[in-house]
Amino acid sequence: EAGVAQSPRYKIIEKRQSVAFWCNPISGHATLYWYQQILGQGPKLLIQFQNNGVVDDSQLPKDRFSAERLKGVDSTLKIQPAKLEDSAVYLCASSLDHWEGRYGYTFGSGTRLTVV
Amino acid sequence: EDQVTQSPEALRLQEGESSSLNCSYTVSGLRGLFWYRQDPGKGPEFLFTLYSAGEEKEKERLKATLTKKESFLHITAPKPEDSATYLCAVQANFGNEKLTFGTGTRLTIIP
Repeated sequence: EAGVAQSPRYKIIEKRQSVAFWCNPISGHATLYWYQQILGQGPKLLIQFQNNGVVDDSQLPKDRFSAERLKGVDSTLKIQPAKLEDSAVYLCASSLDHWEGRYGYTFGSGTRLTVV
Repeated sequence: EDQVTQSPEALRLQEGESSSLNCSYTVSGLRGLFWYRQDPGKGPEFLFTLYSAGEEKEKERLKATLTKKESFLHITAPKPEDSATYLCAVQANFGNEKLTFGTGTRLTIIP
């Protein structure tokens, strides 16, 4: 089966600019996650969708970050305006449902964002 | 709040030299403990899920074990291709069942 697709792979922007990331999960996976991974740290959950509804966005900086999952499939994550501390890898993951543990979550390769 | 602490931060081993990575956790009711492997420039790749104390899982040169407070990833006779960052994560029984990750152990196997 095809994996989780993410684009772009790399992005360099200046602070205060805006940027958007795209994710296409594995077909049929109801749950989609966006994680932020700062260099040298483990991934941190930003937002979790179940179909097209938000389950958890408690760690999403809502003054600058937004995310949507239209029709319960693709998702976009946007940052506006970007700050230097937003430099990180943004990982998208999906699973059949939020209880799925036997096979773990499947992660995409991520988008590496550099804010200068 | 769920917490995961991994040690050591980095580990260098000679090829064939066995060792263990540690993952200590606190969680309000453990649903599952996950081990992932992450290669540079890639997303984490699922290895194991452990559900209860005493459980063990094996895959090639890797064996994961679980107690009520920690998990170990044992690496037996490692090869250079085992070099990667190994991430541990916990999923709680309550709330939204999100994964909370540790900071990882960066493993380097020297030929």
